[in-house]
Amino acid sequence: DGGITQSPKYLFRKEGQNVTLSCEQNLNHDAMYWYRQDPGQGLRLIYYSQIVNDFQKGDIAEGYSVSREKKESFPLTVTSAQKNPTAFYLCASSIDGYGRGSNQPQHFGDGTRLSIL
Amino acid sequence: GEDVEQSLFLSVREGDSSVINCTYTDSSSTYLYWYKQEPGAGLQLLTYIFSNMDMKQDQRLTVLLNKKDKHLSLRIADTQTGDSAIYFCAEKAFNKFYFGSGTKLNVKP
Repeated sequence: DGGITQSPKYLFRKEGQNVTLSCEQNLNHDAMYWYRQDPGQGLRLIYYSQIVNDFQKGDIAEGYSVSREKKESFPLTVTSAQKNPTAFYLCASSIDGYGRGSNQPQHFGDGTRLSIL
Repeated sequence: GEDVEQSLFLSVREGDSSVINCTYTDSSSTYLYWYKQEPGAGLQLLTYIFSNMDMKQDQRLTVLLNKKDKHLSLRIADTQTGDSAIYFCAEKAFNKFYFGSGTKLNVKP
């Protein structure tokens, strides 16, 4: 079945450590997104990519980094510079690339919950 | 950025109708969406409406759009305990998505 796979489901980070969250999609979507969700709050955009080898900062990019070397993969690294990383991280994708407006929505993975040890 | 607002909580009894409201700011929005999030899971697309439509019905779900007032609502008929979740509205403008903070629906038996 086509979809978005996020791994791991739970992740623990030690102080000063970088951790990488995986996001893979087999929907052949051009655009991919990372969001952070804090308890009782909505989604905040961290980074997004509309095409391979290109990505843009969202509203809260500080302390995070991404890469988009393959169309199907958009890993997110939470660096030690992110002082409050405990949150639920959601990856999404949509069919739209640059300049391709459509009614197609975002599809979401099941999320990764990151906690501090 | 765009501003999408929702009330935080709604409580209804099983079998009643639920109405979840949302306001948005961008008059150039092309599509508006409703998502459902169950505990510990991602967002599941429920339905969407194009900005030139007033209403869309899909089984127990009815979406109403008042473009003049930039107001969107989701009505769930015959609400069940399985409908308890957080509901997000989202607008799409210029190929970017903007989400509300979510409305937590509690369905009492």
